[in-house]
This record gives sequence, C-alpha cells and structure tokens, in this order.
Amino acid sequence: EAGVAQSPRYKIIEKRQSVAFWCNPISGHATLYWYQQILGQGPKLLIQFQNNGVVDDSQLPKDRFSAERLKGVDSTLKIQPAKLEDSAVYLCASSSRSGVGGELFFGEGSRLTVL
Amino acid sequence: AQSVTQLDSQVPVFEEAPVELRCNYSSSVSVYLFWYVQYPNQGLQLLLKYLSGSTLVKGINGFEAEFNKSQTSFHLRKPSVHISDTAEYFCAVSGTFNDYKLSFGAGTTVTVRA
Repeated sequence: EAGVAQSPRYKIIEKRQSVAFWCNPISGHATLYWYQQILGQGPKLLIQFQNNGVVDDSQLPKDRFSAERLKGVDSTLKIQPAKLEDSAVYLCASSSRSGVGGELFFGEGSRLTVL
Repeated sequence: AQSVTQLDSQVPVFEEAPVELRCNYSSSVSVYLFWYVQYPNQGLQLLLKYLSGSTLVKGINGFEAEFNKSQTSFHLRKPSVHISDTAEYFCAVSGTFNDYKLSFGAGTTVTVRA
C-alpha cells in the first residue's frame, strides 16, 4: 500500500514570495490533515478535511495560508506572502476514519526555508 | 481543549539500557493518548495508543506505555534500547467526543550511544 505522498521535499524562498505544497493521501482515506512543525516544537494542526469539506481550520492563518482538497482526494496548501516565521516542516497526514482513536499516517513532510 | 507536556527534551542513553520518556496531559474530559516516533528525515509513525481498557499498552519495536489517570500521565518505556531507536518521540492527545484532533507535545529526542 502506498503511503502519504508529499512534494516538494524541500523549498527555499524569499520572504513575501509564494509557495505551494501538494499532498496525496493513502487511497480511500477520507480525512486529511495539514500540520506545521517548527524546529524544536511538536506538530501543530493547521487544517483538517473530511472528504472535500473543512472540519477545522481554527489555527490556519487565513490572511496568508489557504488550503483546498478538490474532489476529496489530494490537497494543496499555499502560503502567500511568506514570512520568515513560516520556516517549518509542513506535514500531511491522512486517516481512514474521522479521527476517533484512528491512526494518522504521515508523509515525510515538506521543509520550507524562508530567507 | 487538551494538551500534553513532555518533561524531557533530550534523553541520552547507552545501548541495551532501559529508557523512559515522560508525558503528562491536561484535559477536563476523557482522552485518547498516543506515542509517535519520527526517525531522521522521515514522517511520524504510530508507536502505540491508549483508547480504553487495559492501562498497559504494548506497541511496536518493544515499546510500552502505561496510562495513569490519577497522575494524568502516559509514560513510554523500553527495557533495552538499540542504536536504531535513536529518534524523536512525540506524545499526543485527543478528546473522545466531538473533538478528535491530535495535539502534540514538543517532543523528546532520544540518542542511543554504543
């Protein structure tokens, strides 16, 4: 079974530029999450999708971050314009259930460096 | 809302020695508890989870954890570590009703030395 795929693995941009990350969850997984992991900290949930609907985006900085999950499969996370503090690893995860005690499967992450 | 505190940021340990990673949680409601491991340049992988039932939970790679409700703890243990256990370990918590998103601790870096 293929795991969660993410791209690109690494991205370096200047502040105020834009960037987009892509995630393809495990086939059949209805729930998809984007987490931000800043160096030295645990992952922080940015947004949760159930199929193509948003369940929770309370911690997404909506003035600069956006995410979509068209057709309920793969997802894109965009940052525009980027700030220095957005330097982090962006983790995508999926689960087969709505999260009730279910296991989240994580991708390898996309490491963003903002200069 | 739920939160977790991992009490040790770094744990150095010699090969074949035991290790314990401490995790305390805070919640006003019932919780589910998890330990994830992150090997260098890899994604997070589930080690074990507590949902209900026996408070002693066994996971992969010889790890186990004990849920202690009175002390609001979920410490992770392994009786004998290997070099390959060098990784970052995250404790996580979720609610059990209507709020299932995971909240992670800051992580504990385990470095196993020969």
